[in-house]
Amino acid sequence: DVKVTQSSRYLVKRTGEKVFLECVQDMDHENMFWYRQDPGLGLRLIYFSYDVKMKEKGDIPEGYSVSREKKERFSLILESASTNQTSMYLCATRQGRKTGELFFGEGSRLTVL
Amino acid sequence: AQSVTQLDSQVPVFEEAPVELRCNYSSSVSVYLFWYVQYPNQGLQLLLKYLSGSTLVKGINGFEAEFNKSQTSFHLRKPSVHISDTAEYFCAVSDFGNQFYFGTGTSLTVIP
Repeated sequence: DVKVTQSSRYLVKRTGEKVFLECVQDMDHENMFWYRQDPGLGLRLIYFSYDVKMKEKGDIPEGYSVSREKKERFSLILESASTNQTSMYLCATRQGRKTGELFFGEGSRLTVL
Repeated sequence: AQSVTQLDSQVPVFEEAPVELRCNYSSSVSVYLFWYVQYPNQGLQLLLKYLSGSTLVKGINGFEAEFNKSQTSFHLRKPSVHISDTAEYFCAVSDFGNQFYFGTGTSLTVIP
């Protein structure tokens, strides 16, 4: 089974703090994704990566950055957290382009005060 | 880009009754289609997928879905729901690129 592990299930941060969300996968998948989930809006793609050190902007990249230094690890960074970034963040992986489904982590619920 | 429409944001249904959750997508080009389920405070789990072949797809937990190319639909069905089926359900489409497009979700509540 594919295992996608997100480092923190619940975080509470203050406005202006730097936030790191880490995602690690154990199945050697090429593609990794970060989504944000908000009620009534579904899942919105923040960034994705199809190879080490490669990244592509998704639909809502503003206020976020990412890092993929190793194939198994994909980090989402909020340089200066704001209250409108309070949300559920979901990491997902996919074996390769055009190859089937996404596998999701358990999610990280971030609250910014 | 694709758009995915889940017409029903909330669906209440009595236990052991049948249920259908509707999903329509925008493009008639070849696509992959998926249904995911999300239980409270968890990530998304794959229920079923259509990649090619038979248009009737069976998934886990007794769910099935039918791909209708002419109507660009992929509705999810279960003949008899259980309390444990209470969850959020998401339809998703991938158009052979590297992106997935998700609907806004349908909250299924099973009433005892």
